Amino acid sequence: AQSVSQHNHHVILSEAASLELGCNYSYGGTVNLFWYVQYPGQHLQLLLKYFSGDPLVKGIKGFEAEFIKSKFSFNLRKPSVQWSDTAEYFCAVTPAGFQKLVFGTGTRLLVSP
Amino acid sequence: ETGVTQSPTHLIKTRGQQVTLRCSSQSGHNTVSWYQQALGQGPQFIFQYYREEENGRGNFPPRFSGLQFPNYSSELNVNALELDDSALYLCASSLGQGRLAEFNEQFFGPGTRLTVL
Repeated sequence: AQSVSQHNHHVILSEAASLELGCNYSYGGTVNLFWYVQYPGQHLQLLLKYFSGDPLVKGIKGFEAEFIKSKFSFNLRKPSVQWSDTAEYFCAVTPAGFQKLVFGTGTRLLVSP
Repeated sequence: ETGVTQSPTHLIKTRGQQVTLRCSSQSGHNTVSWYQQALGQGPQFIFQYYREEENGRGNFPPRFSGLQFPNYSSELNVNALELDDSALYLCASSLGQGRLAEFNEQFFGPGTRLTVL
């Protein structure tokens, strides 16, 4: 069965600091990879996704993620965080050909102004 | 364009009771997926409906069942509620079109918070 691990459950940063959230998945076949974000009081929304091609993908609000196949990783990065990035971030995978999302446990990011 | 809506927002039930949660999919979407998010956990896939048929199921017992209607709205039914069923239930809609469906974004609703006492 597929599984997703997010190593940091809580992260606290000051504004302008750089962000990297770790995500590793366990699955033997081809996967599609996602990062979702949930801002306080809002729905889960898609931040970025990777299906194939360039392993460095760019998403909304200056976020990017790099797929490293050999490490089964899909880490999320942002060079300079803002207070408005305070949210919970979820890494997720789907086996290729399916829409069933397998989520990690999430990382709560708090950015202090 | 209307987003995904869910009702009710909150619900309190007691053990052994039955509950029905509702989801209206985003306009133009024909696929609905349901997820359970326990406190401190990521969402877990319950099942998916595509054009009124179940199209995949996660590791949930048969007392979790669902329906999809001709207008693509959906219901999640849970029988014989247990304390561990307390969670946020999320509905996500998307456009499913065979082999290309995996590339279509799933749009999530706000969820229904179920508390079982």
